[in-house]
Amino acid sequence: GNSVTQMEGPVTLSEEAFLTINCTYTATGYPSLFWYVQYPGEGLQLLLKATKADDKGSNKGFEATYRKETTSFHLEKGSVQVSDSAVYFCALTFTSGTYKYIFGTGTRLKVLA
Amino acid sequence: DGGITQSPKYLFRKEGQNVTLSCEQNLNHDAMYWYRQDPGQGLRLIYYSQIVNDFQKGDIAEGYSVSREKKESFPLTVTSAQKNPTAFYLCASDRGQSNEQFFGPGTRLTVL
Repeated sequence: GNSVTQMEGPVTLSEEAFLTINCTYTATGYPSLFWYVQYPGEGLQLLLKATKADDKGSNKGFEATYRKETTSFHLEKGSVQVSDSAVYFCALTFTSGTYKYIFGTGTRLKVLA
Repeated sequence: DGGITQSPKYLFRKEGQNVTLSCEQNLNHDAMYWYRQDPGQGLRLIYYSQIVNDFQKGDIAEGYSVSREKKESFPLTVTSAQKNPTAFYLCASDRGQSNEQFFGPGTRLTVL
């Protein structure tokens, strides 16, 4: 079946450190891939997305590249800030069928000043 | 401003009582979803609806019910049959076809 696997957290970094959060997926077909961010006590917000192989999504200094050969969509940021502390979810969906999303379990990021 | 509203933000109920969580969107989206989030876990799909007057069970529908009488509204009822209802509930909507999902702020339900 279809699934998304994220690295377990929490991830604790110092301000200005480099961030990588790993995400791999299993899918029958060619999904669209997403990263969402959730701040404490809030709903999820879209961070970035990619709809086909080799696409790079980017937003607010975060980037992720759709790698079909490794079925991965790792999230990266060159220099994190305290305000980036949140939970990050990797997700996939398809352009046909029921359009249901499949979410990873989330990775909590804590950035220390 | 367009968006999704959920009310109330915090809800307390006694065990054995049914409770209804509200979700309203003014984004003109056809599809709406209900998710449950437990501490340290991802989102699990309860119900979803792709069109008015139609909805489908998600992965954990037991003990929940929904209705979709209007495009803008997708209320979720947590019934007494739900064995462990205390959780954070998120409503979402989208235009379908792999488009971005928009989320409401969530309702935290605590059953005493």
